[in-house]
Amino acid sequence: DAGVTQSPTHLIKTRGQHVTLRCSPISGHKSVSWYQQVLGQGPQFIFQYYEKEERGRGNFPDRFSARQFPNYSSELNVNALLLGDSALYLCASSWTVNEKLFFGSGTQLSVL
Amino acid sequence: GESVGLHLPTLSVQEGDNSIINCAYSNSASDYFIWYKQESGKGPQFIIDIRSNMDKRQGQRVTVLLNKTVKHLSLQIAATQPGDSAVYFCAESLYSGNTPLVFGKGTRLSVIA
Repeated sequence: DAGVTQSPTHLIKTRGQHVTLRCSPISGHKSVSWYQQVLGQGPQFIFQYYEKEERGRGNFPDRFSARQFPNYSSELNVNALLLGDSALYLCASSWTVNEKLFFGSGTQLSVL
Repeated sequence: GESVGLHLPTLSVQEGDNSIINCAYSNSASDYFIWYKQESGKGPQFIIDIRSNMDKRQGQRVTVLLNKTVKHLSLQIAATQPGDSAVYFCAESLYSGNTPLVFGKGTRLSVIA
């Protein structure tokens, strides 16, 4: 069975640009969460969606937004990119909002 | 606020020895804890979880211990193998409150052959 898949795997952008990251959850999972992981740190919570509704939002600016589609896949959007947005962006899926998370391999975003 | 931390940022062990990775948490209300393993270039991989109504749970070669009195969590790996080399994170949440998982900074485990 396929695990959580994310695309693209790597991305290079310049300051001020916009980026869209995509995630497909494990089949049957209805919840998707997004985390940002800066090098040398643990993942930091950005968003959680369940049944297409936002269930939680971390301490990130409004430049970060996300949505979940009817097929439970999800997109994370970041506007007006800053150098500090450079990080590994991880998507995780779970059956419901309070079950253990299964992570994808992430999208490595570099902002120049 | 919630926070999860680790006592040791790096740990080196001989192949075949047992490893113990420690984690302290500050939110006494947290009732769900998970250990993840992250290898280079990969996302975190679920190892084992435990709820606050338990103080010990065993998996294949791994044991998680929870001490709620001192807010301490540990991961024990038996007969450590080179493939166990990775960064290990503990994470906590308030299960009953549907709060997101909060991760610590991680401990790097290096297995010496």
